[in-house]
Amino acid sequence: AQTVTQSQPEMSVQEAETVTLSCTYDTSESDYYLFWYKQPPSRQMILVIRQEAYKQQNATENRFSVNFQKAAKSFSLKISDSQLGDAAMYFCAYRSGAGGTSYGKLTFGQGTILTVHP
Amino acid sequence: DGGITQSPKYLFRKEGQNVTLSCEQNLNHDAMYWYRQDPGQGLRLIYYSQIVNDFQKGDIAEGYSVSREKKESFPLTVTSAQKNPTAFYLCASSKDAGGTGELFFGEGSRLTVL
Repeated sequence: AQTVTQSQPEMSVQEAETVTLSCTYDTSESDYYLFWYKQPPSRQMILVIRQEAYKQQNATENRFSVNFQKAAKSFSLKISDSQLGDAAMYFCAYRSGAGGTSYGKLTFGQGTILTVHP
Repeated sequence: DGGITQSPKYLFRKEGQNVTLSCEQNLNHDAMYWYRQDPGQGLRLIYYSQIVNDFQKGDIAEGYSVSREKKESFPLTVTSAQKNPTAFYLCASSKDAGGTGELFFGEGSRLTVL
């Protein structure tokens, strides 16, 4: 079974600075997808960024980018020019690309609470 | 606006009672999911459904039941057999079980057992 580990329960950053959230995963599959989701105080989960394992290029969405190291099974999220609105819990998630009973299911990490200081 | 609607937002239950959480989506998505969120444990999958009239157990299905009679609806029943039901429950959907698998989430329902 796949597992996702976020080793940083809490992180903090000053407004306008850069912060990196860590995520590692364990899988024997070669075809999969990785996600970062944001859960603000409203509790609704919002997709931040997505990475396909077959793509070597790291995904980027505005101020958010990832460092995808497939061999090391590492998938970190970098937030540049942090804003107060970035304060939230961030979840890393894994999805198998294979068929069968695991098709479509996401496995989540434990989450990292990000605090942004003005 | 398309989206996922969960109700109720807050629910209180006495021990021994069953309770049903509603999840409705108007995104025309095939797949729907129920996750449970507890502090420090992330989200854990309870049940999921890839098509109407079909669903599979997730990692923590004991004490829960679901139905998928309509594409738009995927209600979750928390039964009295669930030993520790107090939690935050999130419903999600995806266009299908394949593709990139991006999940769209509802706003959640918080269940408290008194």
